[in-house]
Amino acid sequence: DQQVKQNSPSLSVQEGRISILNCDYTNSMFDYFLWYKKYPAEGPTFLISISSIKDKNEDGRFTVFLNKSAKHLSLHIVPSQPGDSAVYFCAASRRGTALIFGKGTTLSVSS
Amino acid sequence: DAGVIQSPRHEVTEMGQEVTLRCKPISGHDYLFWYRQTMMRGLELLIYFNNNVPIDDSGMPEDRFSAKMPNASFSTLKIQPSEPRDSAVYFCASSWDREHEKLFFGSGTQLSVL
Repeated sequence: DQQVKQNSPSLSVQEGRISILNCDYTNSMFDYFLWYKKYPAEGPTFLISISSIKDKNEDGRFTVFLNKSAKHLSLHIVPSQPGDSAVYFCAASRRGTALIFGKGTTLSVSS
Repeated sequence: DAGVIQSPRHEVTEMGQEVTLRCKPISGHDYLFWYRQTMMRGLELLIYFNNNVPIDDSGMPEDRFSAKMPNASFSTLKIQPSEPRDSAVYFCASSWDREHEKLFFGSGTQLSVL
């Protein structure tokens, strides 16, 4: 039973446009949410995070939105660049426990 | 710092053989995690350690899997005997953060069991 779900296995976007990656979770006890980015043949790397007390966190081109009532978060990338092409993993945790990851969404940004 | 180091990068073995994956965490990190990535299940947690002590091994699929952390700079994940369904990428990650939010991952070991 997956507690963190990324229902879109892939997403294709043109360079310069917005990329929106979505994630749903089932455990209302989660209080911290993160996005990781993974290139082929490399391990995932931390991208951005948000605490459950916030509904938005921004870092340059990347913004994460959290909707606790819907148990949904999204990652917005504006503008998208070809170098953003990667697998993006959504993750969540309860304080003091290990991160639970989704299956990932493969983003392809075409120039 | 060299980051989290995993070996080997690739492992091809035959069903029934023992497989040992190795990990050296970042110096000073108190937490070490083993994750497995497959297409079907994504990134799933197998086990994690705090100060060399296993904290949660509920993700270890079967008794065929075992993990050890004999000291702060080394961990192993062993599969004995291996089966084709164990084929996956195995990642080791470490963290200093008590809340485990920001993990640092190794490059992974691509395991193929024939």
